[in-house]
Amino acid sequence: GAVVSQHPSRVICKSGTSVKIECRSLDFQATTMFWYRQFPKQSLMLMATSNEGSKATYEQGVEKDKFLINHASLTLSTLTVTSAHPEDSSFYICSASPGDRSSYNEQFFGPGTRLTVL
Amino acid sequence: GDSVTQMEGPVTLSEEAFLTINCTYTATGYPSLFWYVQYPGEGLQLLLKATKADDKGSNKGFEATYRKETTSFHLEKGSVQVSDSAVYFCALYNFNKFYFGSGTKLNVKP
Repeated sequence: GAVVSQHPSRVICKSGTSVKIECRSLDFQATTMFWYRQFPKQSLMLMATSNEGSKATYEQGVEKDKFLINHASLTLSTLTVTSAHPEDSSFYICSASPGDRSSYNEQFFGPGTRLTVL
Repeated sequence: GDSVTQMEGPVTLSEEAFLTINCTYTATGYPSLFWYVQYPGEGLQLLLKATKADDKGSNKGFEATYRKETTSFHLEKGSVQVSDSAVYFCALYNFNKFYFGSGTKLNVKP
């Protein structure tokens, strides 16, 4: 089946630094990638949708200058948490879809990245 | 807005026991419904889905029926195995977006 990887799996950083998380589709081309955030014992919340070669679409309440998303190729999207603070500590999950909007319901998920900001 | 509510865990069962994980939803229009499973250290994997009312999704012995009248999509399995231990997420897909429940952890003891 389709595989999506994330790197790193865990990261600990100091407050005020920036952290980059990579999401790769390993055996298919991902027209669209999605970034989710999960708080403990809560559901996954969609942060943004990114299409290769264009700007990401952010969900209401998500700061686009805080969470920078780049989808430079059909197999790679990156999420950069800028000037991270302890409240940004969370589990970040990406997913990838091989198709256009008509097939967004077909998403393949990465294993997630645990971010801890000290 | 659209949302999904599923039973809190963890759920602990003995091997070969019957499993039910409840899931109810709130949505406008005609959403599709999904169950995803997440094993330790891995991403969410699609377990089963149903795209319209009265459809039954099934896979690996798991089943769930799309009940529009009760807005539910309960996950069931007749006889669980230790290898079924994982976190299960109920989700709905509507207007190009997924909405997930909070996940239910299942522990199956030998």
